[in-house]
Amino acid sequence: DTEVTQTPKHLVMGMTNKKSLKCEQHMGHRAMYWYKQKAKKPPELMFVYSYEKLSINESVPSRFSPECPNSSLLNLHLHALQPEDSALYLCASSQDSAGAIPQHFGDGTRLSIL
Amino acid sequence: SQQGEEDPQALSIQEGENATMNCSYKTSINNLQWYRQNSGRGLVHLILIRSNEREKHSGRLRVTLDTSKKSSSLLITASRAADTASYFCATDTNAGKSTFGDGTTLTVKP
Repeated sequence: DTEVTQTPKHLVMGMTNKKSLKCEQHMGHRAMYWYKQKAKKPPELMFVYSYEKLSINESVPSRFSPECPNSSLLNLHLHALQPEDSALYLCASSQDSAGAIPQHFGDGTRLSIL
Repeated sequence: SQQGEEDPQALSIQEGENATMNCSYKTSINNLQWYRQNSGRGLVHLILIRSNEREKHSGRLRVTLDTSKKSSSLLITASRAADTASYFCATDTNAGKSTFGDGTTLTVKP
């Protein structure tokens, strides 16, 4: 079992739907991350939150909206997604974002856009 | 372009053999990390090597780093079927941002 919990594990949605992905960790980590991973590809960084503030946004389309309600929770709000957004979305956390820190990953949400 | 490129893309070996995979990168780094990803799962951190280190060991894992060649290698000794997974290197150049290589898919046959 991983220490970073992501829900749901699978999500199928239409292009007009609004849904949210959730991530939770109770390790006291102060940095949290969203990655997108396509099949047989490496994870691609989307967003980084450090001490509950958005510190990195890798030019992600506005149809993806992150939110960090508190130090343990990270959400990714989805709206008007495209078929090419189908992927595995991974959440990770680390003690802080100062580098040289291992990241702990959840098992991801597999998202399919119809 | 990817900061880290790995080779081989795929590697198939028999149980008990050693597996070596390589990672090359383009710009100076603060540190380099290796992760494992089993099919359908998240990534698991294996080992971190800092830019001023040349070699690190952890159990059956041995990682080397050559900053002059901008390359790293991961050696898994006495491989087991459970080692079957994808392996990624990740380089940290700026605080809070890791860039992952393309990965090596390792298959260990029992």
